[in-house]
Amino acid sequence: GIQVEQSPPDLILQEGANSTLRCNFSDSVNNLQWFHQNPWGQLINLFYIPSGTKQNGRLSATTVATERYSLLYISSSQTTDSGVYFCAVFRTGGGADGLTFGKGTHLIIQP
Amino acid sequence: KAGVTQTPRYLIKTRGQQVTLSCSPISGHRSVSWYQQTPGQGLQFLFEYFSETQRNKGNFPGRFSGRQFSNSRSEMNVSTLELGDSALYLCASSPAGRGTEAFFGQGTRLTVV
Repeated sequence: GIQVEQSPPDLILQEGANSTLRCNFSDSVNNLQWFHQNPWGQLINLFYIPSGTKQNGRLSATTVATERYSLLYISSSQTTDSGVYFCAVFRTGGGADGLTFGKGTHLIIQP
Repeated sequence: KAGVTQTPRYLIKTRGQQVTLSCSPISGHRSVSWYQQTPGQGLQFLFEYFSETQRNKGNFPGRFSGRQFSNSRSEMNVSTLELGDSALYLCASSPAGRGTEAFFGQGTRLTVV
């Protein structure tokens, strides 16, 4: 099945800093989503971005499908940005036909 | 528009028992998928239901099963619980599955003792 690798696994930043999270995937995909998991466990949708660039406030994402990677940018970090960020991909016929998740990036924003 | 609702939020069961979890998808969404999250294995796909039929299944034993009702609500059942089944179970709702945008519920945290 398809492999998803996220880097870095852990990231500690001061409030106000910018960060870039990376997601590499091993094959072409039909869908790519970025999520933020809150302390209660819920996955919050950030971007649905199989290709191209999108922006939402301080967050933006870029997926280069031909090179099999996606980047999530967080600018002017706030303590509320802390948590685990997951990249998940979907590939028709890629195995179980569900979303395949990376192991996540654990982001800590210190005041 | 109401989001994805999972019940119960927390559950404690004994080894050997069975458990049923419930998921109500976003109105109009026909696909419901279930995922298991553990510290060791991360987030793993269990199965997907679409129009009351199981369309896809992940690599889990037959003790894990589910169903979907005509109103798209879904239940998953785990029989003969094992300690290793302790996990956060997440339900995802999407308009049609197959790569359409998925929205997750708050999860059910199951502890098996």
